Amino acid sequence: GEDVEQSLFLSVREGDSSVINCTYTDSSSTYLYWYKQEPGAGLQLLTYIFSNMDMKQDQRLTVLLNKKDKHLSLRIADTQTGDSAIYFCAESPRSGSARQLTFGSGTQLTVLP
Amino acid sequence: DVKVTQSSRYLVKRTGEKVFLECVQDMDHENMFWYRQDPGLGLRLIYFSYDVKMKEKGDIPEGYSVSREKKERFSLILESASTNQTSMYLCASSRAGASGANVLTFGAGSRLTVL
Repeated sequence: GEDVEQSLFLSVREGDSSVINCTYTDSSSTYLYWYKQEPGAGLQLLTYIFSNMDMKQDQRLTVLLNKKDKHLSLRIADTQTGDSAIYFCAESPRSGSARQLTFGSGTQLTVLP
Repeated sequence: DVKVTQSSRYLVKRTGEKVFLECVQDMDHENMFWYRQDPGLGLRLIYFSYDVKMKEKGDIPEGYSVSREKKERFSLILESASTNQTSMYLCASSRAGASGANVLTFGAGSRLTVL
């Protein structure tokens, strides 16, 4: 079946850039997503990218997609302590499927002052 | 402010008890989902529903059942709770569509401890 993998932990200093990486196995993925989970809360959509795009930028967030290598990354510029959270990568195996998303294990981002 | 509301944030139950987790959404979404979240395992889909009274098994349905009698409400039922069902349970909903991104809106979660 589909598999999405992420490293479990990342620590960065406040003001530095963070890069969270994700690999997936399903070559038919049509959309790839980044969700953020703050302590004690549910997941919140940060951004998503359609599989025919290479890059998407939204303020401090940059998503890069390498479809050939099945690699997705999320870059957070000027990381702040409020960015400390768990970040989940997810993919949709095919468009319009209610079967929905396959999630990675999540990367715990810790921002050090 | 649109939202998905899970009625219980924290529950403590004993082994063998029947447990109901309730989820209500106010966005008129067709799809609703129940996930469990465990450290290092990410989110695993238990059940989902794409319409009233319709349900489909996810990846880990054993030990769980669901009910969707109304469009806005999706309940997760543990008929006889066991200690390995201690977890965070997340409800989500999304709009049905022929194409486009499947964007999920999540509730805040229900942390269940089974003693």
